[in-house]
Amino acid sequence: KAGVTQTPRYLIKTRGQQVTLSCSPISGHRSVSWYQQTPGQGLQFLFEYFSETQRNKGNFPGRFSGRQFSNSRSEMNVSTLELGDSALYLCASSLGAGEDTGELFFGEGSRLTVL
Amino acid sequence: AQKITQTQPGMFVQEKEAVTLDCTYDTSDQSYGLFWYKQPSSGEMIFLIYQGSYDEQNATEGRYSLNFQKARKSANLVISASQLGDSAMYFCAMREAYANAGKSTFGDGTTLTVKP
Repeated sequence: KAGVTQTPRYLIKTRGQQVTLSCSPISGHRSVSWYQQTPGQGLQFLFEYFSETQRNKGNFPGRFSGRQFSNSRSEMNVSTLELGDSALYLCASSLGAGEDTGELFFGEGSRLTVL
Repeated sequence: AQKITQTQPGMFVQEKEAVTLDCTYDTSDQSYGLFWYKQPSSGEMIFLIYQGSYDEQNATEGRYSLNFQKARKSANLVISASQLGDSAMYFCAMREAYANAGKSTFGDGTTLTVKP
């Protein structure tokens, strides 16, 4: 079955702009999580959506937001971009319930560069 | 708060030899899951192996095995018969409690280089 799809794969923005990243989970997966990966901070959890509701949230400012649609696809938005937002943004999906062990299936990531 | 510690920033191993990547964790939960992921240079994170906190036997998946020592709070990854394609960054991760299924805490990673 198809894996997790993230778009766009690469993007360049300037400070102050906003960006929207998209993630399509594996069919049947209801949980979508977002992670930020940087060389200095490593992998940090942003938030998780399950059945269109934010179920968990990491320690990021309000400029980072997300949402999930009824088909489980998710978007994350970063407003008023800062240089420090340059990172690889990884989306991961999982069943989110039932027999889910918490194993995450990741997309290839969206690499954001802020100039 | 949960914490994952990987003390080996980089490791080298000769092709066809076994290698152990260290991972220790800290949690106050009784129920949790431990995972290892591989991240090649392409960037995509790939799930390797899972160990539940109540599993009595060490998990194995092909050439990967997880050496789980609950009392010591360690979950080391053992890769047997290393291959050149195993060169990548490896992350240990933990999920606490079922309700946080989508939220995992990751270690800083270990870069493994397999030498021919």
